[in-house]
Amino acid sequence: GAGVSQTPSNKVTEKGKYVELRCDPISGHTALYWYRQSLGQGPEFLIYFQGTGAADDSGLPNDRFFAVRPEGSVSTLKIQRTERGDSAVYLCASSSRGGSRNTEAFFGQGTRLTVV
Amino acid sequence: AQSVAQPEDQVNVAEGNPLTVKCTYSVSGNPYLFWYVQYPNRGLQFLLKYITGDNLVKGSYGFEAEFNKSQTSFHLKKPSALVSDSALYFCAVRDQERGRDDKIIFGKGTRLHILP
Repeated sequence: GAGVSQTPSNKVTEKGKYVELRCDPISGHTALYWYRQSLGQGPEFLIYFQGTGAADDSGLPNDRFFAVRPEGSVSTLKIQRTERGDSAVYLCASSSRGGSRNTEAFFGQGTRLTVV
Repeated sequence: AQSVAQPEDQVNVAEGNPLTVKCTYSVSGNPYLFWYVQYPNRGLQFLLKYITGDNLVKGSYGFEAEFNKSQTSFHLKKPSALVSDSALYFCAVRDQERGRDDKIIFGKGTRLHILP
């Protein structure tokens, strides 16, 4: 596709439920990032993939959060037993030549998750 | 620890005047620095980057940024502001910590208001 696509754009879920957020990166981009942005804050790093493997998952806040990228393209961020504090905009980004330090990341529009 | 600081929550500038949005950083090695802009209900858009070479880098929409190694700063600038420049601006640095050198860390953002 022309850009990074994230679905759904909005998700409302009840506390304790399981949710999946999808990211479709720019075609050919090998690096994929997930960030979380709360109101009035900058993007908070969650996890970074190079190809199919998670190169850095140090930003995942706890074991309720998990992400996969089984074929090195689409990625899914999974949140179990959601809590109200998980409410935020979840951003996905991709970049070419994964591992190349001078490559900027291109962002999707984000998924706004609201836990009620 | 690697970090990015944007000391101003908000900057107000009259249309036609020059603008500066401040950013300072801290990394263990050589920094790779980025500026992104976020318009309401939109994803983050890449503006410009510094990797190496000239300290003054030029980017999209007439923006430029000046890398100052001694002051560890990367301030965003524009000679003549437009009302349409009003948005949220994020400075970012690629983390140079060994083993995690592809993670991009963002500042908390600066809201730029251009007054007509």
